[in-house]
Amino acid sequence: GAVVSQHPSWVICKSGTSVKIECRSLDFQATTMFWYRQFPKQSLMLMATSNEGSKATYEQGVEKDKFLINHASLTLSTLTVTSAHPEDSSFYICSARLDRGSSPLHFGNGTRLTVT
Amino acid sequence: QKEVEQNSGPLSVPEGAIASLNCTYSDRGSQSFFWYRQYSGKSPELIMSIYSNGDKEDGRFTAQLNKASQYVSLLIRDSQPSDSATYLCAVNWQAGTALIFGKGTTLSVSS
Repeated sequence: GAVVSQHPSWVICKSGTSVKIECRSLDFQATTMFWYRQFPKQSLMLMATSNEGSKATYEQGVEKDKFLINHASLTLSTLTVTSAHPEDSSFYICSARLDRGSSPLHFGNGTRLTVT
Repeated sequence: QKEVEQNSGPLSVPEGAIASLNCTYSDRGSQSFFWYRQYSGKSPELIMSIYSNGDKEDGRFTAQLNKASQYVSLLIRDSQPSDSATYLCAVNWQAGTALIFGKGTTLSVSS
């Protein structure tokens, strides 16, 4: 089955610093990856769609200059949280699907970000 | 605005019982439907996919889809304490796009 690897699993950083999260598709190529965020006891909210070789598409209300997404290859997308603040503390999860259709998304293990 | 609605619960059932989880969606043109299970602190894992009207069974799980009513359900037979988790209904409204998730239903199975 499709495997999506995400790193790191958890990170603690100080307010004002930047954090990079990596998402890799291990056994398939993903032209598109999706980044979600989940606050405690809430559902997954789509942040952005990461497209290989082009700019990411951000959802309404997500600051593109704060959440930098780079999808430089068919197996790697990165999310950088710049100038992190405590309100950015959340569970960030990347996902991808095997095709360009309507098949399910396969999720990475997620990254728990805590900003102090 | 495309929406997916679920009863947040908690839904409590005794071990061995049938748990019934429901979901409605707003976009009549939605193409595919999924149920994910999420344990606390973990990422979602896929348990069922359904694409056409009717029932789809996989072990103890049965997904039901009624596109006319814009309704998806998940039945879990012989519920086990290990089934205690949050169940997320997800809908894909267009090929190649992200899934839209409901808020999830928390299931608690007591032994």
